[in-house]
Amino acid sequence: DTAVSQTPKYLVTQMGNDKSIKCEQNLGHDTMYWYKQDSKKFLKIMFSYNNKELIINETVPNRFSPKSPDKAHLNLHINSLELGDSAVYFCASSQVPAGDGQYFGPGTRLTVT
Amino acid sequence: GNSVTQMEGPVTLSEEAFLTINCTYTATGYPSLFWYVQYPGEGLQLLLKATKADDKGSNKGFEATYRKETTSFHLEKGSVQVSDSAVYFCALGRGATNKLIFGTGTLLAVQP
Repeated sequence: DTAVSQTPKYLVTQMGNDKSIKCEQNLGHDTMYWYKQDSKKFLKIMFSYNNKELIINETVPNRFSPKSPDKAHLNLHINSLELGDSAVYFCASSQVPAGDGQYFGPGTRLTVT
Repeated sequence: GNSVTQMEGPVTLSEEAFLTINCTYTATGYPSLFWYVQYPGEGLQLLLKATKADDKGSNKGFEATYRKETTSFHLEKGSVQVSDSAVYFCALGRGATNKLIFGTGTLLAVQP
């Protein structure tokens, strides 16, 4: 059973389009996260939800909008895609407060052309 | 603010060599510390963790000790294998949100 799953795994789209990435976790965790990994492998948190409530909102363009319909799902919608949005996006989940760390999905590689 | 500094890679070793990847952190209070591993084309896997000073995390032959006096969490393995080739990330987590702050990652390449 996959603990944290993301769809799609690959996403290729043109500038200006709107796209969504979906994430689901079956670990029973209360908190979910979105991270962005750039071409140099640097990882930075974007958002976090705890029980459907937004608790972390880093400096991210407002073209990015997360949505959490329930605590097992966290989706990421991106409007008006730009070339600089090309990256790998990772979803993660954890219990909070957590010494157990976060559990990551396999990633979605977004390529904007 | 909180930050993590890792040694730059790539680190290239021969099979069965000893591995050390240095990690130091800056944080107020007492963060939890983690090592994650990312194999090519995959997501991050939690490798080991430590939640308080002098704790030693260990998994799959890898070890790291939480050293508060030197603010370090260096990753070690006594004998690396080709299958250990991956990118290794040191991270700290703190606060009610458990936000993770990652180092820049260190690429390890193990040659047969």
